[in-house]
Amino acid sequence: SQTIHQWPATLVQPVGSPLSLECTVEGTSNPNLYWYRQAAGRGLQLLFYSVGIGQISSEVPQNLSASRPQDRQFILSSKKLLLSDSGFYLCAWSVFETGGSNEQFFGPGTRLTVL
Amino acid sequence: SQQGEEDPQALSIQEGENATMNCSYKTSINNLQWYRQNSGRGLVHLILIRSNEREKHSGRLRVTLDTSKKSSSLLITASRAADTASYFCATGRIQGAQKLVFGQGTRLTINP
Repeated sequence: SQTIHQWPATLVQPVGSPLSLECTVEGTSNPNLYWYRQAAGRGLQLLFYSVGIGQISSEVPQNLSASRPQDRQFILSSKKLLLSDSGFYLCAWSVFETGGSNEQFFGPGTRLTVL
Repeated sequence: SQQGEEDPQALSIQEGENATMNCSYKTSINNLQWYRQNSGRGLVHLILIRSNEREKHSGRLRVTLDTSKKSSSLLITASRAADTASYFCATGRIQGAQKLVFGQGTRLTINP
């Protein structure tokens, strides 16, 4: 069966510090991978998605970047965190299918607080 | 901006009652999905309805889709305290490759 892991679960970082959040998927090959951010009590904002190794699409201009060094690994990074980067970060995967969007499977999330 | 807009933003009902949540969207879609999120957790997929379908059932869940009105509804029958969560609709576009656009969600509270 497929599983998705995210770490760390919680993170408190000072403004200006770097960030690295990792997401890995097991039990599937060539998944689509996604990074979302969720503000408190709000919906999900798509930050990045990837349909293959080294292929990253950015949805909104921001202080963050993403990389996919391996097929089932997706990393969210920042060189210098801002207060506005605080939030709940969710990684998700789906099966690639041409012509449509499949259901997505979410990781447990990382709660990031920037002080 | 988010395409899906859920209505109401918050809903509080008594256990055993039915809960209905609505979702509206703006552009043409390939499918519409509903997800559930317990507080502080990741989202869990509930049901997917394709653009050529009008109604779908899964256990106590019933989803309808009206593409002419660009709207969908999620009905949870015989609600339980464990149904307390936030519910999100998400739309998959015809073009735009593999992305979903999520709404802001409905916060559902089931009172025992």
